[in-house]
Amino acid sequence: AQSVTQLGSHVSVSEGALVLLRCNYSSSVPPYLFWYVQYPNQGLQLLLKYTTGATLVKGINGFEAEFKKSETSFHLTKPSAHMSDAAEYFCAVHNAGNMLTFGGGTRLMVKP
Amino acid sequence: DTGVSQDPRHKITKRGQNVTFRCDPISEHNRLYWYRQTLGQGPEFLTYFQNEAQLEKSRLLSDRFSAERPKGSFSTLEIQRTEQGDSAMYLCASSLIATGNTIYFGEGSWLTVV
Repeated sequence: AQSVTQLGSHVSVSEGALVLLRCNYSSSVPPYLFWYVQYPNQGLQLLLKYTTGATLVKGINGFEAEFKKSETSFHLTKPSAHMSDAAEYFCAVHNAGNMLTFGGGTRLMVKP
Repeated sequence: DTGVSQDPRHKITKRGQNVTFRCDPISEHNRLYWYRQTLGQGPEFLTYFQNEAQLEKSRLLSDRFSAERPKGSFSTLEIQRTEQGDSAMYLCASSLIATGNTIYFGEGSWLTVV
């Protein structure tokens, strides 16, 4: 069975600093991996996804993530945080049963 | 806007009452999913449809929950005899089989049981 672990339920960075949100997964098959963002009282918006091919994937709003099979990781980064990046971020793995399994989420806070 | 649409966005109900949520997926998306999300947690899978067929149900989906997608388009999720533990956001999502690994979510329906 697939599972996702997000290290750090809360991450705080200063505006302009590097954002790093960690995600590790377990999967018995080659995984499809996703990052979603959720703003307060809203649904989930797809940031980026990895299926096959290039292991560094770029998403919206300047985010990117790198698939590292040897480390079973799919960490999300952004070079320079903006106040508008404050939100909840979810890593997810798409499993053979055609649904997503989510991690517990990481709340990103951006300090001015 | 041609995204996933959910209605109502917010529902407050008394314990023991029945509630129904509706989801309209992205046009021509043949897979439709229901998830539940409680405060501070990630979404948890409830059930999914491929066209009108309900192909999988989570153990989270007790007998009080029923989902339908009668014509393979919109879907409804009904909760009977609501309990306070049912308070959560119910998220609907859809995908296209041809690109089945990308699932798009709606804005969610918040349920508060008092």
